[in-house]
Amino acid sequence: GAVVSQHPSWVICKSGTSVKIECRSLDFQATTMFWYRQFPKQSLMLMATSNEGSKATYEQGVEKDKFLINHASLTLSTLTVTSAHPEDSSFYICSARDSGRVEGYTFGSGTRLTVV
Amino acid sequence: AQTVTQSQPEMSVQEAETVTLSCTYDTSESDYYLFWYKQPPSRQMILVIRQEAYKQQNATENRFSVNFQKAAKSFSLKISDSQLGDAAMYFCAYRSANSGNTPLVFGKGTRLSVIA
Repeated sequence: GAVVSQHPSWVICKSGTSVKIECRSLDFQATTMFWYRQFPKQSLMLMATSNEGSKATYEQGVEKDKFLINHASLTLSTLTVTSAHPEDSSFYICSARDSGRVEGYTFGSGTRLTVV
Repeated sequence: AQTVTQSQPEMSVQEAETVTLSCTYDTSESDYYLFWYKQPPSRQMILVIRQEAYKQQNATENRFSVNFQKAAKSFSLKISDSQLGDAAMYFCAYRSANSGNTPLVFGKGTRLSVIA
């Protein structure tokens, strides 16, 4: 089945530094990937839609300059949290759809980011 | 915009018993997909079951079945013969069928506990 590999699974960084999260579609081409943020015991909140070869579309309230998204190939999308602050600590999940499948999107395993 | 509502923040069920999780949604579209996702403690999102809006027949997957009431915009999940491994967060989700790359819209989730 469709697999999305997300790395790292967890990361701790210091305030002010940047962290990059990668999502790769392993067995299909993902022209679009979605990035979600999930706070403890809450639902997934869509942050942005990443389209291969074009600029990402950000949801209202999401800072474009803080959450940089790059989708340079059909199998790789990255989310970079720039100048991280403790309030950026969260669980980040990517998701992509295999256009050859009717089923809902495949999710990465998530990244737990802790900013200290 | 579409919205998904899960009115039960928490539910519990005895092992081997049956439990029903509720979900309602709001949309003006006629063609869409509905999903139930499971998120265990590992936080990996797992597709449980999906339903195409144009199909009148309720979807079933082994012990999981749905009651899809299109006119009422209701999409409940029934878990039969509950097992300890069913304990997780369950999210109801909606996706428009009008475009191939629209994101999933999630409800707030229902935390299911299974009592041995």
